Amino acid sequence: DTGVSQDPRHKITKRGQNVTFRCDPISEHNRLYWYRQTLGQGPEFLTYFQNEAQLEKSRLLSDRFSAERPKGSFSTLEIQRTEQGDSAMYLCASSLATSDGELFFGEGSRLTVL
Amino acid sequence: TQLLEQSPQFLSIQEGENLTVYCNSSSVFSSLQWYRQEPGEGPVLLVTVVTGGEVKKLKRLTFQFGDARKDSSLHITAAQPGDTGLYLCAGEDNYGQNFVFGPGTRLSVLP
Repeated sequence: DTGVSQDPRHKITKRGQNVTFRCDPISEHNRLYWYRQTLGQGPEFLTYFQNEAQLEKSRLLSDRFSAERPKGSFSTLEIQRTEQGDSAMYLCASSLATSDGELFFGEGSRLTVL
Repeated sequence: TQLLEQSPQFLSIQEGENLTVYCNSSSVFSSLQWYRQEPGEGPVLLVTVVTGGEVKKLKRLTFQFGDARKDSSLHITAAQPGDTGLYLCAGEDNYGQNFVFGPGTRLSVLP
């Protein structure tokens, strides 16, 4: 399978714990995006990378959230000191900067904070 | 901040009916995309529209981009249960870097 893969698919954690999600994009894609989606809503932009550079972060992203893409390939999204309001589906998408901008999404990582 | 609104929020129809859903903004977008999302999966691209006034057809789906590139519509002819899902519009900001999503229209087509 050469699509976008995310791990883990589901994560249940207690409030105050740290969690990390991983995204492996389509191999030739140089752009990688993180979105958050809550039930009944559209995806909400968090941050995106072009190669290893993090080019934009949402103002909604608190200091507890950090994302990396160290070698311009896979990316990690870490949430520190989780809160119940962090419960959501975290979606990763990748694209080619030179394409018509089609985003290819993974199946998401669902986080439940108890 | 560029925002997108979608209407209706929910739509439940019988198989064979026609429907139109809308995506509106007060901002101009360089392009606009429509995605469909099924439960437990990520969104999948249906179409990208770039030129104001552009109309694209994908089998029973017809997409239109407004002349001013601020709005778009999706029309489905003779809806089928397989069309059930969350329909999302996404606008590419004018810097060509970020995509803003609307809240979606949740469509249910009953057999």
